[in-house]
Amino acid sequence: DQQVKQNSPSLSVQEGRISILNCDYTNSMFDYFLWYKKYPAEGPTFLISISSIKDKNEDGRFTVFLNKSAKHLSLHIVPSQPGDSAVYFCAASANNNNDMRFGAGTRLTVKP
Amino acid sequence: ETGVTQSPTHLIKTRGQQVTLRCSSQSGHNTVSWYQQALGQGPQFIFQYYREEENGRGNFPPRFSGLQFPNYSSELNVNALELDDSALYLCASSLRLAGASTDTQYFGPGTRLTVL
Repeated sequence: DQQVKQNSPSLSVQEGRISILNCDYTNSMFDYFLWYKKYPAEGPTFLISISSIKDKNEDGRFTVFLNKSAKHLSLHIVPSQPGDSAVYFCAASANNNNDMRFGAGTRLTVKP
Repeated sequence: ETGVTQSPTHLIKTRGQQVTLRCSSQSGHNTVSWYQQALGQGPQFIFQYYREEENGRGNFPPRFSGLQFPNYSSELNVNALELDDSALYLCASSLRLAGASTDTQYFGPGTRLTVL
């Protein structure tokens, strides 16, 4: 059961522009959401998270927005840099975080 | 601070064999989770260990089993390997604090298992 969906398998953006990665979820019990970045031959690296009590969390160039009514979250990267090129996974968990669900990932390419 | 490490990096087995994958937690972490990532998909939760006890399990059969040791390192064992078990196996560690509802998981580089 795909409880977390990333419907865009890939995204290409010009350096300096904004990258927007989207994620939808179906389980209303999810209360903690994370974004991970993955380079080839490495494990996913934690990027940013948001609790369901918030609708926005910002960390430098990265901002995550949560729309609970739409069961939708997005990651904004601005300005995008070539080093941001990677696969981005959205993840969600409920209550005690012992079963984190991941989306299939979106491959971001930032062109110089 | 040492990050999460996994061994081996690559492994080739044949159908019906058994395999053990190992994970060393990040220093100070007490919780380990294991994930299976098939090609083109996101990681799928197998199970989690907290203070040496299983603390949640995903939709995987009993032939997937695990252990967590007093130093919080962990093993994933898979018996009777099937072709569909070919995947990247990721270990993630975290620090669970009493009363906390969430903790951020930090991943190792994974073990690539190929079953022939």
